[in-house]
Amino acid sequence: GAGVSQSPSNKVTEKGKDVELRCDPISGHTALYWYRQSLGQGLEFLIYFQGNSAPDKSGLPSDRFSAERTGGSVSTLTIQRTQQEDSAVYLCASSLSRDRGPVGEQFFGPGTRLTVL
Amino acid sequence: AQSVSQHNHHVILSEAASLELGCNYSYGGTVNLFWYVQYPGQHLQLLLKYFSGDPLVKGIKGFEAEFIKSKFSFNLRKPSVQWSDTAEYFCAVRGNNRLAFGKGNQVVVIP
Repeated sequence: GAGVSQSPSNKVTEKGKDVELRCDPISGHTALYWYRQSLGQGLEFLIYFQGNSAPDKSGLPSDRFSAERTGGSVSTLTIQRTQQEDSAVYLCASSLSRDRGPVGEQFFGPGTRLTVL
Repeated sequence: AQSVSQHNHHVILSEAASLELGCNYSYGGTVNLFWYVQYPGQHLQLLLKYFSGDPLVKGIKGFEAEFIKSKFSFNLRKPSVQWSDTAEYFCAVRGNNRLAFGKGNQVVVIP
């Protein structure tokens, strides 16, 4: 596709439920990132995938958060037993790998706005 | 770990005024710096970036930024703003497989 796409655009859930957020990166981008944007916290890094390497999960705030990337393309971020403090906009970004283009230029999707009631 | 500071979170100015947004970073490795913009209802877009070379970087829509290594700064400027520049602006530094963002500057341009 032309850009990074994310679904759903909005998700409202009840406290304690699990949610799955999806990201489709730009075709050919091997690096994929998840960030969270919330009031008061700004933009926070969550997790990074690069090709077939083990992901960098150092930004995940708790073990309720997990992510996977299938076939080196689509990624799913899963939040288990959601809490009200998980309410935020979850952003996905992708970039070319280090050896194929400008290092670090990330292209962002429109985000998924998660509201936990 | 890298970090970014942005000051004056809310900025209100009139059309044709000049804009300068401060950005200070902390990172011990090779510095890659970015300014992103988020217009109302839209997603983050890259305004400009610095990787190496000329420390004065030109971006889209008349924006520019200057990398001053001795001051650990990467301030964003525009000589004459327009109403359409109303947006939130984020400075970011890349390192350790991620972007670290500042808290952002909410800029409102009054016609």
